[in-house]
Parts: sequence; structure tokens; C-alpha cells
Amino acid sequence: DIQMTQSPSSLSASVGDRVTITCRASQSINNYLNWYQQKPGKAPKVLIYAASSLRSGVPSRFRGSGSGTDFTLTISSLQPEDFATYYCQQSYNTSPLTFGGGTKVEIK
Amino acid sequence: QLQLQESGPGLVKPSETLSLTCTVSGGSIRSTTYYWGWIRQPPGKGLEWIASIYFSASTYYNPSLKSRVTISEDTSKNQFSLKLSSVTAADTAMYYCASVSLDVYHLFDHWGQGTLVTVSS
Repeated sequence: DIQMTQSPSSLSASVGDRVTITCRASQSINNYLNWYQQKPGKAPKVLIYAASSLRSGVPSRFRGSGSGTDFTLTISSLQPEDFATYYCQQSYNTSPLTFGGGTKVEIK
Repeated sequence: QLQLQESGPGLVKPSETLSLTCTVSGGSIRSTTYYWGWIRQPPGKGLEWIASIYFSASTYYNPSLKSRVTISEDTSKNQFSLKLSSVTAADTAMYYCASVSLDVYHLFDHWGQGTLVTVSS
């Protein structure tokens, strides 16, 4: 299995802050990396696919980067609606498809 | 717009079989754009992929659950289903069904709202 490790597991930030979340794969996954946002009581929602492609309708303050084993999700200016938990997911190995452990972004 | 809705019992006894159904609307389960999957999330924890089904003929299971899981389709009802046998308290989770993009990125594109299944006597 490809293990996905996210860091940090949680962070506190203020509105307007720049936030960076890291996802590391246990082996190279090229750019087969997706990012999701999950708000409490809701299903996850796609933000980024193929490591850096912004899903239609997702604000441009979200940016994904990386390739190989190291990936980053950056929120350039945190907005109130961005407080949520973020997950990465690899699709290089489809059995099993695996997610990172999540990063909870909380209000400072 | 594709919509998915999970249904099934919210309480299952230990050692019994958990059975859930996902009803797809706004699109066909015979889609050549998507395939279908189940994901679960224990309370306060992360996401775990359980199983996927392609075109009724191909099924894929998480190796950690494979011995207990069956995924199937009912094309006449535009539904797909999950069975998880011999459940324990560790199987208590929110269970989501989702469409998965049929490309190399296997994106969990559309999700149901989720259904909470509690394993308890």
C-alpha cells in the first residue's frame, strides 16, 4: 500500500493568513494526487486534482503543487469558509486508493 | 448533476452483516465516465476507501477488508450496494458512496451525504 502522510495534523490560523499543508507519499506517485476539503457533518469536496489542477468552481486562492513524493496545498489568504479538514488522496496505486490522515484548519 | 444517496440500517449488531445501498440519480450507473465506490470515516477519524465497482464486471477491494466485503450493482434500479460481514465496533463509521472519475486520477467526484452505521448490541 502507498502510505500518505499529511502534516501538520492540525493548525490554527487567522483570516487572511497564508496556509500550507504538506502531503508525503511513501513512494513516487508522479502527479496522481488529489486534495479534498471536508466541513463538519458534510461529505468531502474536490479542490485539486492531478496535484495542481484546480477543480472548476474552486476559488483561485487554493493552489496545489508537487510531484513524486512531496505535495503541498496552499491557501493564499484564508477565508472564514476555509476552516475545515483537508485530505490528500493518491491514485497511483488503485488498490488500495489511499488518503492522508487529514489536516484540520482551525480559527486562531 | 449526478446525485448519490446512501440508505440502510443505522444500527447493526456485532458479528452481523452491514448492508448499504447507494441510489444514483442524474446519471446512469452504466456510465462510461464514472465508476462507483464506497468510503468510510470512523467518528473523528480519516477517510478509508472500501471498494469499487466498474461496469458490473470488475470489483476492487481494500485488501484490509477484502475477506469481509462485497460490492455489487443493480442496473435496473440504478443502484450499487455494499455488504460488510462479521462487523465489530471498529466498523462503526460514516459510510459514503461516491462516483469515481474513470481516468488516471480516480477522483471521488460526487459524494452522497453519508450514512452513520453504529455497530452495537
